[in-house]
Amino acid sequence: GAVVSQHPSRVICKSGTSVKIECRSLDFQATTMFWYRQFPKQSLMLMATSNEGSKATYEQGVEKDKFLINHASLTLSTLTVTSAHPEDSSFYICSAGGGAQKAKNIQYFGAGTRLSVL
Amino acid sequence: GQNIDQPTEMTATEGAIVQINCTYQTSGFNGLFWYQQHAGEAPTFLSYNVLDGLEEKGRFSSFLSRSKGYSYLLLKELQMKDSASYLCAVRPFVSSASKIIFGSGTRLSIRP
Repeated sequence: GAVVSQHPSRVICKSGTSVKIECRSLDFQATTMFWYRQFPKQSLMLMATSNEGSKATYEQGVEKDKFLINHASLTLSTLTVTSAHPEDSSFYICSAGGGAQKAKNIQYFGAGTRLSVL
Repeated sequence: GQNIDQPTEMTATEGAIVQINCTYQTSGFNGLFWYQQHAGEAPTFLSYNVLDGLEEKGRFSSFLSRSKGYSYLLLKELQMKDSASYLCAVRPFVSSASKIIFGSGTRLSIRP
């Protein structure tokens, strides 16, 4: 079964609104989670590394004030797309490492969130 | 910088064998991954190589040569459901919790 849960799976919102996406590790603790964005027919682009109890590490070119990441517990990271615009429409996917109970070196992915901004 | 190359598209026949190659040049190396991704879905884990050699798992095998910066994914007895994108990814840094970098993916089409 799934080891990483991501919600919601689909969001349609108006331009200017904020959208929160949740990523949970289901049966293990993840001190680090990752957020990716994927445009149609393209590969996954890493946006940021979410660190439990500290600030996220953003990749070059990703606006930290627009994509707010909170990793308040060892099983939950959230990504908030603030003041979303049509160009933010994309497939957002989170991943987490396996922890002690799973193969630690493996990154497992959530089901993804398809964001459509009108 | 980090660079991972794989072919953009490949086509193969049902029942046949296909090999998807991946080459990488990264600042470090702490493992190579292969993921399968069907259209509109999240990637699913296929294989992980950190030492040289072949890892076999059912119809799928993955090979790694660290000295050559090279890996391949071998799919046997192809089925129509194997039509998907296959993503090669490398973890450049030492920590097992560190990020992995993805290649652009190979779209594999299986014909009857």
